[in-house]
Amino acid sequence: NAGVTQTPKFQVLKTGQSMTLQCAQDMNHNSMYWYRQDPGMGLRLIYYSASEGTTDKGEVPNGYNVSRLNKREFSLRLESAAPSQTSVYFCASSASSTSPTETQYFGPGTRLLVL
Amino acid sequence: AQTVTQSQPEMSVQEAETVTLSCTYDTSENNYYLFWYKQPPSRQMILVIRQEAYKQQNATENRFSVNFQKAAKSFSLKISDSQLGDTAMYFCAFMKHALFASGTYKYIFGTGTRLKVLA
Repeated sequence: NAGVTQTPKFQVLKTGQSMTLQCAQDMNHNSMYWYRQDPGMGLRLIYYSASEGTTDKGEVPNGYNVSRLNKREFSLRLESAAPSQTSVYFCASSASSTSPTETQYFGPGTRLLVL
Repeated sequence: AQTVTQSQPEMSVQEAETVTLSCTYDTSENNYYLFWYKQPPSRQMILVIRQEAYKQQNATENRFSVNFQKAAKSFSLKISDSQLGDTAMYFCAFMKHALFASGTYKYIFGTGTRLKVLA
């Protein structure tokens, strides 16, 4: 039982390049989330998927797209990377997004550097 | 807008001693949830403790306990008998109904307190 896994662990991009961050969970969770963590700031929600087949914008969705490929996998795509997207990206999952007592489990993060 | 403030960017404590991390928040809601998450050097966020606002009793989890003062909107974390493995970044978080989607809850995180436990 690996929990939440993310690939890659680290990536360097040039401005304008595209890439997809992958996330998978093996806990049979319905809800999945993408956050970014910037220095001196708490985690901010980019997009989330309350259940398979649905996705919704979070606080900072501009410049990103997501795909809930199936119940296990939730990917985050940067179509044209910008230096402002340099950050650490965390994927998380929970059994439900409509109950505050459901713990969110986080992946180990992807460190992205955009030059 | 709801905010979460952690006023101590860094703290240190001797092994086996007790340390308290502070957190204040601002909300007009009556029902909400508060959390402390730990982020060790491995970067993976781990839930430490959770408190429901409607419960007056302070939550405890082994060496971790909170002092929840609802009127003061304060939610501090006390770590007793500190261990080297407690060295990490600690985030206070507030959970509420998201405004952008009915029924969905979302976190609002503070900026974190970096705790170092000294041998």
